[in-house]
Amino acid sequence: SAVISQKPSRDICQRGTSLTIQCQVDSQVTMMFWYRQQPGQSLTLIATANQGSEATYESGFVIDKFPISRPNLTFSTLTVSNMSPEDSSIYLCSVRGGSSTDPNSYEQYFGPGTRLTVT
Amino acid sequence: AQSVTQPDIHITVSEGASLELRCNYSYGATPYLFWYVQSPGQGLQLLLKYFSGDTLVQGIKGFEAEFKRSQSSFNLRKPSVHWSDAAEYFCAVSSGTYKYIFGTGTRLKVLA
Repeated sequence: SAVISQKPSRDICQRGTSLTIQCQVDSQVTMMFWYRQQPGQSLTLIATANQGSEATYESGFVIDKFPISRPNLTFSTLTVSNMSPEDSSIYLCSVRGGSSTDPNSYEQYFGPGTRLTVT
Repeated sequence: AQSVTQPDIHITVSEGASLELRCNYSYGATPYLFWYVQSPGQGLQLLLKYFSGDTLVQGIKGFEAEFKRSQSSFNLRKPSVHWSDAAEYFCAVSSGTYKYIFGTGTRLKVLA
């Protein structure tokens, strides 16, 4: 399994500002994912970040609002731009385990999350 | 379209009692099924997974789950709950791609 860290662990931000969340993995991984967990809700996939290519966004999420960087195989950032109170959520990154030919690659390992509160 | 239903939003059990958390899925083929646990302030930890083979799978922390194709269910069980099991539990399904569909979660409370 992979060990994933996220920074910051929590933050309180003012509306209209932006916050960049960092995700660091202890091993090289091809696919990294960013999820949002709104208060009392389940997890929703925001985008998939592959190293060397543009992130792929899910329906309802756009690059201008959630720009993502993936400069190497162990690191990614998610920026929440022009924040509003509706962006208050836990943001989690995850990675896919194993290889494309390994059934265990369907597992995902999650970071501890970043709890964002927008006032 | 795939979907996952966790019918119980909250469950309360006494310490030492048995536990069963329900999960039903909707998917045309045999899905890949997962149970994750999220403790307060923590990320998600994988408890167990089902890909194929034996329909009763064992996981960490004494949890097990049984895949029942006829009922489209993947219920999580533990014979004796510990106070440290209080957390939120998520069932997830994947079609074999990287995309997960998560259930809405079941929050477990354990009474001393």
